[in-house]
Amino acid sequence: AQTVTQSQPEMSVQEAETVTLSCTYDTSESDYYLFWYKQPPSRQMILVIRQEAYKQQNATENRFSVNFQKAAKSFSLKISDSQLGDAAMYFCAYRKNSGNTPLVFGKGTRLSVIA
Amino acid sequence: KAGVTQTPRYLIKTRGQQVTLSCSPISGHRSVSWYQQTPGQGLQFLFEYFSETQRNKGNFPGRFSGRQFSNSRSEMNVSTLELGDSALYLCASSFRTGNNSPLHFGNGTRLTVT
Repeated sequence: AQTVTQSQPEMSVQEAETVTLSCTYDTSESDYYLFWYKQPPSRQMILVIRQEAYKQQNATENRFSVNFQKAAKSFSLKISDSQLGDAAMYFCAYRKNSGNTPLVFGKGTRLSVIA
Repeated sequence: KAGVTQTPRYLIKTRGQQVTLSCSPISGHRSVSWYQQTPGQGLQFLFEYFSETQRNKGNFPGRFSGRQFSNSRSEMNVSTLELGDSALYLCASSFRTGNNSPLHFGNGTRLTVT
């Protein structure tokens, strides 16, 4: 079974600084998707960034970028120029690209942004 | 375009009762998935519906059930509630089933069982 591990339960960053959230996963598949979701106090899960496993280029969305290391099964999220609105729970998720398979989530990392 | 709407936002029930949660997907989305979120177990997949048919089911007891209507709205039902069913229940919709279709989540329903 696929598993997703986020080893940092909590992280903090100073406003305007850069922070990296870690994620590792375990799978025997070669074709899959990886995601980072943000869950603010409003509870809504918001898609931050998505990476397709067969694409070697790391995905980027404005201040958010990933470091995807397929061989190491590592998928970290870098947030640049951190803003107070970035404070939230961040979840790493995996989804196999075959059939109707669900998202498998990590346990999350709570990010605090210090003004 | 309106997002995924879940009702109610909060619910308090007594052990042994049953509960129904509702989810209205984004207009045009035909797939609806349900997830349970607890501090201990994290986010766990319950089931997915597409065109009124259950396409996938997670590892939950039969007390958890769901359905989808012709307008793509979905309900999930939990019977004989247990204290451990206290959780945030999240619904997500996507345009179609299949893993290339991104999920859009609602704000969830917070269920407390006393």
